[in-house]
Amino acid sequence: EAQVTQNPRYLITVTGKKLTVTCSQNMNHEYMSWYRQDPGLGLRQIYYSMNVEVTDKGDVPEGYKVSRKEKRNFPLILESPSPNQTSLYFCASSGGYTSSYNSPLHFGNGTRLTVT
Amino acid sequence: KQEVTQIPAALSVPEGENLVLNCSFTDSAIYNLQWFRQDPGKGLTSLLLIQSSQREQTSGRLNASLDKSSGRSTLYIAASQPGDSATYLCKTSGSRLTFGEGTQLTVNP
Repeated sequence: EAQVTQNPRYLITVTGKKLTVTCSQNMNHEYMSWYRQDPGLGLRQIYYSMNVEVTDKGDVPEGYKVSRKEKRNFPLILESPSPNQTSLYFCASSGGYTSSYNSPLHFGNGTRLTVT
Repeated sequence: KQEVTQIPAALSVPEGENLVLNCSFTDSAIYNLQWFRQDPGKGLTSLLLIQSSQREQTSGRLNASLDKSSGRSTLYIAASQPGDSATYLCKTSGSRLTFGEGTQLTVNP
């Protein structure tokens, strides 16, 4: 089944403790991205990647890191989480390099992160 | 910078009613517009994708239209059902991907 898989679904952590949220897709998509969703602010893009070893900042990249060493995986790293990073996070992927803007965006089921 | 607006923020209708959800955007230089459905606490499910060269797309009871010149898209839902209750979001693809904040739809039995 074609899907985007995020883990974990729920995560509670403390300020400053490094964490990684994993994202994997099995559709051979070249474009992958991370979003956070907050009430009243909607979905905001954190980082995106057009291909292996190519990553770019989205609208709210501060406090986050990503890597794209393999085509299928795009982990989101919080080196020193803070309470303002408490949010619902989504990973998404689409198409190929030349069609990423013309292909549907497929989302994972989300990771609800709480930082205390 | 692209701005995407969805009005109303919430909508409640009786079962069986035909309804229209609106999405407006400020920058008409888009590649496509995509409509999603999001159930509480879940991810976004793609409903329809309209390319910039297209005027509309249909899938079952759903019909999405796109008017780039006026910066508007509509999602028409025919014969609404309680199972259609969800938040509906639109997204434009241009130099950036930009999402609206969504319309929360409740269909009452």
